[in-house]
Amino acid sequence: KNQVEQSPQSLIILEGKNCTLQCNYTVSPFSNLRWYKQDTGRGPVSLTIMTFSENTKSNGRYTATLDADTKQSSLHITASQLSDSASYICVVITTDSWGKLQFGAGTQVVVTP
Amino acid sequence: EAQVTQNPRYLITVTGKKLTVTCSQNMNHEYMSWYRQDPGLGLRQIYYSMNVEVTDKGDVPEGYKVSRKEKRNFPLILESPSPNQTSLYFCASSPPPGNSYEQYFGPGTRLTVT
Repeated sequence: KNQVEQSPQSLIILEGKNCTLQCNYTVSPFSNLRWYKQDTGRGPVSLTIMTFSENTKSNGRYTATLDADTKQSSLHITASQLSDSASYICVVITTDSWGKLQFGAGTQVVVTP
Repeated sequence: EAQVTQNPRYLITVTGKKLTVTCSQNMNHEYMSWYRQDPGLGLRQIYYSMNVEVTDKGDVPEGYKVSRKEKRNFPLILESPSPNQTSLYFCASSPPPGNSYEQYFGPGTRLTVT
């Protein structure tokens, strides 16, 4: 069973609208959580990295939140653009196995005009 | 320019013919890792290396070998490729990942084994 679960699996949104992606994890002990954006056929690009003590981190129109107590994170996309169409991947790193990253399956976002 | 490079970018080969996919980074990163990505399965870690001469298995190491003789290079070796290793492969590097450093991914290598 995957220890990093993302939802929804996919979504379609209209250009200019906002959306929120979810990531729930069970891995521990927690070190940090990352959100990546991956365009089709290309390598993932880091959006945010959050440690245990960070609740919110923004990168332009992307805002990630983290609740380490409930082991939940979200990625909010504001005023979506066509270029936001991509897969968004949640990754968790633990303190006892820093080299072994725990990946979510990703949420496929399609922004339509 | 700071980057991770992979070669080749595309490769079609036949079952059993040994191949190597190279990965190189110019950022002096200690950590390097290989992933494969298949439709519906997301990214899965094959092997990783915390530093020179230090390698460890990820979630799907079967059928793969790696070596880390130099800090900048981390080749992925398929001794006897099989069709189930047809996939999109990514190499990545970073300073130690537990310290919240960003991980940089290469452009990917699309491998087809017939």
